[in-house]
Amino acid sequence: GAGVSQSPSNKVTEKGKDVELRCDPISGHTALYWYRQRLGQGLEFLIYFQGNSAPDKSGLPSDRFSAERTGESVSTLTIQRTQQEDSAVYLCASSRTSGGVSGELFFGEGSRLTVL
Amino acid sequence: GQQLNQSPQSMFIQEGEDVSMNCTSSSIFNTWLWYKQDPGEGPVLLIALYKAGELTSNGRLTAQFGITRKDSFLNISASIPSDVGIYFCAGPRAYTGNQFYFGTGTSLTVIP
Repeated sequence: GAGVSQSPSNKVTEKGKDVELRCDPISGHTALYWYRQRLGQGLEFLIYFQGNSAPDKSGLPSDRFSAERTGESVSTLTIQRTQQEDSAVYLCASSRTSGGVSGELFFGEGSRLTVL
Repeated sequence: GQQLNQSPQSMFIQEGEDVSMNCTSSSIFNTWLWYKQDPGEGPVLLIALYKAGELTSNGRLTAQFGITRKDSFLNISASIPSDVGIYFCAGPRAYTGNQFYFGTGTSLTVIP
């Protein structure tokens, strides 16, 4: 598509439930990033995928968080046994990389997660 | 952890005034990007800088990539109400691959 697409745009869930967030990157973008943004805060890096390389998971806050990406397409971020502290906007971004030089990041509009 | 420090944290200015904000790091960066985020939306790229010393303009925006590769600034001239939002610097740290770090953000309020 023309831009990064995320779904759902809003998700309200009960504490303890699992949630799955989806990201469709821009076609041809080999790099994909997930960030978390709590209310009034900056962007917290979660995970980074680059082509078929092993993902950089260094930002995942706990083992309740996981993410997958199929090739260079869709990615899903899964949060198991959600806690109220997980409430935030989850932003996905994609980037075209060429020759090892990073391209600009293009963001989706985010998935707002509210854990009751 | 946080790699980029932005200042000021927030700004309140009168419409028509110029704005300057900066971003510093203890690490060298290959690229500096400046983003703006409106409430309820994802960040949108404003300006990208790829070379130390580079000065780039985009309309009323001007940004520079510091010579040391450890800092960057963003200027907005003749501010208007729609400039309101949060401005983030970002970039990949040199020699560590393509993980993008983001600054703490500068919140800009323009008073008509």
